[in-house]
Amino acid sequence: NAGVTQTPKFQVLKTGQSMTLQCAQDMNHNSMYWYRQDPGMGLRLIYYSASEGTTDKGEVPNGYNVSRLNKREFSLRLESAAPSQTSVYFCASGRTGTGEQPQHFGDGTRLSIL
Amino acid sequence: AQSVAQPEDQVNVAEGNPLTVKCTYSVSGNPYLFWYVQYPNRGLQFLLKYITGDNLVKGSYGFEAEFNKSQTSFHLKKPSALVSDSALYFCAVRDKADRGSTLGRLYFGRGTQLTVWP
Repeated sequence: NAGVTQTPKFQVLKTGQSMTLQCAQDMNHNSMYWYRQDPGMGLRLIYYSASEGTTDKGEVPNGYNVSRLNKREFSLRLESAAPSQTSVYFCASGRTGTGEQPQHFGDGTRLSIL
Repeated sequence: AQSVAQPEDQVNVAEGNPLTVKCTYSVSGNPYLFWYVQYPNRGLQFLLKYITGDNLVKGSYGFEAEFNKSQTSFHLKKPSALVSDSALYFCAVRDKADRGSTLGRLYFGRGTQLTVWP
């Protein structure tokens, strides 16, 4: 089972460049999430989508945009990359319902911005 | 507002000894609590969860966690540590009262690096 798949796994950008991180899940989950992980900071929520067609800001949305393309796919876009956005980005998905279910994570995209 | 604290950045333990990774939480209502493990260059993997009922929850790889409502804690434990348990561990909380679009959001601690020495 693929679970949550993120592409690319690694990327190096120059300041000011743009790029889109892709995420797809095959578990028929309604909710999808984008996090960033920085040393000593844990995981911080960037954006999430509780269902197809809806998106909401998390804790650190500035500098990012998202698109919930369909139920399976949730992309994260950096319009003008900045060195402060150097991080490891994780996509996750989960069932929306009673709240008892855990989220399932991809293996991350390691992004460096020079 | 929900929050999670993991007071120890690092925990070191010898193989075969018991281990404890600490977690305390704050929610306005009642919590759902989760532990995840992260190995190098991998995503987070679900270990166990507390929903309701028995305060001692058993999970994957021999791990267990004890929910203590009065102390608002959910410490992760294992009776006998293995070198292969060395990883980064995250505690997370969700408020049962969350509804609508916020339902499903998790709030994570900063993580505790567990090192098990042979």
